[in-house]
Amino acid sequence: DTAVSQTPKYLVTQMGNDKSIKCEQNLGHDTMYWYKQDSKKFLKIMFSYNNKELIINETVPNRFSPKSPDKAHLNLHINSLELGDSAVYFCASSPNSGRELFFGEGSRLTVL
Amino acid sequence: GENVEQHPSTLSVQEGDSAVIKCTYSDSASNYFPWYKQELGKRPQLIIDIRSNVGEKKDQRIAVTLNKTAKHFSLHITETQPEDSAVYFCAASEGGGADGLTFGKGTHLIIQP
Repeated sequence: DTAVSQTPKYLVTQMGNDKSIKCEQNLGHDTMYWYKQDSKKFLKIMFSYNNKELIINETVPNRFSPKSPDKAHLNLHINSLELGDSAVYFCASSPNSGRELFFGEGSRLTVL
Repeated sequence: GENVEQHPSTLSVQEGDSAVIKCTYSDSASNYFPWYKQELGKRPQLIIDIRSNVGEKKDQRIAVTLNKTAKHFSLHITETQPEDSAVYFCAASEGGGADGLTFGKGTHLIIQP
């Protein structure tokens, strides 16, 4: 019973391509997030999404766009991929008024 | 915005010894301080957290201390075991919860047999 699941787990693509990573949570949580973990293991928030309110980290390029078809899903779409986008992307969720982040297993994106 | 500094970046200890990881934060409004553990190739998982109205919290071999005046908090692991080897992240937020968390850069803890 995977609580937060992401697909694909690995993604290798060429510069300039567009790709998406999907995330689903079956915990009934109200808030979902995308985090980026670079090669130095630094974890940085990209987006949080709660009840159709999107909070964007202003350092995230507008090539990155989150899309939430419903409360249980938050997908990440990336346009015009660049070498620097190579990283592990973690989806996470938390309940309203909750403290714990429940992370997915991560999606390792490699841009060649 | 919040800035969280974490030290050391790598810590190697003998099995059975204690390990201490330290973090400082910049925003005096921060009131929630969790610690996450990430084993190699796995997802980060919450291991312990503390709120600003508490100075210390313990859970078996792990403990966290908070000094609000100095704006620093620490993770203490006693009687370290091989399964403690991982990257540990501290974090801080002013919302009291998972929203708005700023993470430190992580400490790679290595337990030597």
